[in-house]
Amino acid sequence: DTGVSQDPRHKITKRGQNVTFRCDPISEHNRLYWYRQTLGQGPEFLTYFQNEAQLEKSRLLSDRFSAERPKGSFSTLEIQRTEQGDSAMYLCASSPRTDRRTEAFFGQGTRLTVV
Amino acid sequence: DQQVKQNSPSLSVQEGRISILNCDYTNSMFDYFLWYKKYPAEGPTFLISISSIKDKNEDGRFTVFLNKSAKHLSLHIVPSQPGDSAVYFCAASEDSNYQLIWGAGTKLIIKP
Repeated sequence: DTGVSQDPRHKITKRGQNVTFRCDPISEHNRLYWYRQTLGQGPEFLTYFQNEAQLEKSRLLSDRFSAERPKGSFSTLEIQRTEQGDSAMYLCASSPRTDRRTEAFFGQGTRLTVV
Repeated sequence: DQQVKQNSPSLSVQEGRISILNCDYTNSMFDYFLWYKKYPAEGPTFLISISSIKDKNEDGRFTVFLNKSAKHLSLHIVPSQPGDSAVYFCAASEDSNYQLIWGAGTKLIIKP
C-alpha cells in the first residue's frame, strides 16, 4: 500500500494522559499536513510541514499539542494532558510539490476518544 | 465565523440524474477551491479543483462552477451513480498560505 498511513486507527485514553499519533506520508511527498475533524464538521487545519520544517501552525494548536517531522519523512503529533474536547478524528495528508495548487492525499485518520 | 459554508447537510438524488452540491464562501481572498469526497471510515479523497481565474472546470462526470461575484461554487455530477453516495466537502485556500478551509460537508445519497 503506497498511500498515507496513520497509526493507530483508534485510541481511547483517559483524561490527562499523553497520546502520540504517527503519520507515514506517501514516499517523497515533501509536504505534510495535520487536520482535526469533529462530528458533523469539515477538517480543521492544525499544522503543515515542508520537509522537516514546520511552516504553519493554527491557533487551534495549543501548547499541549506538538508535531514533529524529523528527517522530513514520517511525522508525529503528540497531545499532552488530553482533555475531553480533544476527542476527534486526526487526519494526516501529504502532497508532492511546493505549489499549493496540488491536491493533498489523506490517510484514514486516527480516532481519539478521551474518557 | 464559518468562511466556507455548505448549507445542505444532505441531498438525495435518483440514479442517472444530475447531483448539484453547493458551497458559499465569505473570504474574498480565497483563490483556489477544491472538492473532496469522503466514504465512511476513510480519509477524504480529492475530486476536482478550480482556480479563481476560471469559472468552470470539468473532469469526466464532475464539473465545478465558480461564481466569484456571488462567492458561490457548485459541483455537478452527471449522471449520478450509486458509488457517488458519500459526504462531499468543499474547501478553499488563499494565496498567502497552505491552509485549506473546509465546509461542513453534504451527504449525497444516490437512490437506485
